[in-house]
Amino acid sequence: DTGVSQDPRHKITKRGQNVTFRCDPISEHNRLYWYRQTLGQGPEFLTYFQNEAQLEKSRLLSDRFSAERPKGSFSTLEIQRTEQGDSAMYLCASSPRGNQPQHFGDGTRLSIL
Amino acid sequence: RKEVEQDPGPFNVPEGATVAFNCTYSNSASQSFFWYRQDCRKEPKLLMSVYSSGNEDGRFTAQLNRASQYISLLIRDSKLSDSATYLCVVNVGGANNLFFGTGTRLTVIP
Repeated sequence: DTGVSQDPRHKITKRGQNVTFRCDPISEHNRLYWYRQTLGQGPEFLTYFQNEAQLEKSRLLSDRFSAERPKGSFSTLEIQRTEQGDSAMYLCASSPRGNQPQHFGDGTRLSIL
Repeated sequence: RKEVEQDPGPFNVPEGATVAFNCTYSNSASQSFFWYRQDCRKEPKLLMSVYSSGNEDGRFTAQLNRASQYISLLIRDSKLSDSATYLCVVNVGGANNLFFGTGTRLTVIP
């Protein structure tokens, strides 16, 4: 399967714990995006990488959130000291260039107890 | 004002019906436009890009009106498998990210 893959598919954790998600984009895509989606809403942009450079961050991305793409391939999204409001689907997408359609992974569903 | 606004529906239509969804966007500098489809608890999947001249892909037709900042999707001869949420998506040039509408939920009834 050469699509975008995300791991884990589901994560349940207690409030205050740290969580880390991984995204492997389509191999020839140099742009990688993270989104958050809550029930009844469309995905909301969190951050964007072009190769290993993080070029843009949404105001939604508080200082508890950090994303990396160290070698310009896979990316990780870490949430520290999780809060109940962090419960959402976290989607990763990739594209070959900026205005091209983005292809999404299956997402990681995070539930905070 | 939201970047992208859609009627959330739901739209419940019988099999074989024609249904149209509309979407408006606020930024006149928006450069590219898409419709995505999202099934329940699944990721969004690209349905089609929307071109200025309008475009068709089988039973699906997309239209763009830049003057009115308006995008539409027409589905003809609805199938049960068309039941999903349809997301209107706009790329604001230079921002390198997509703005999604909240989605329009469609249920096709046998």
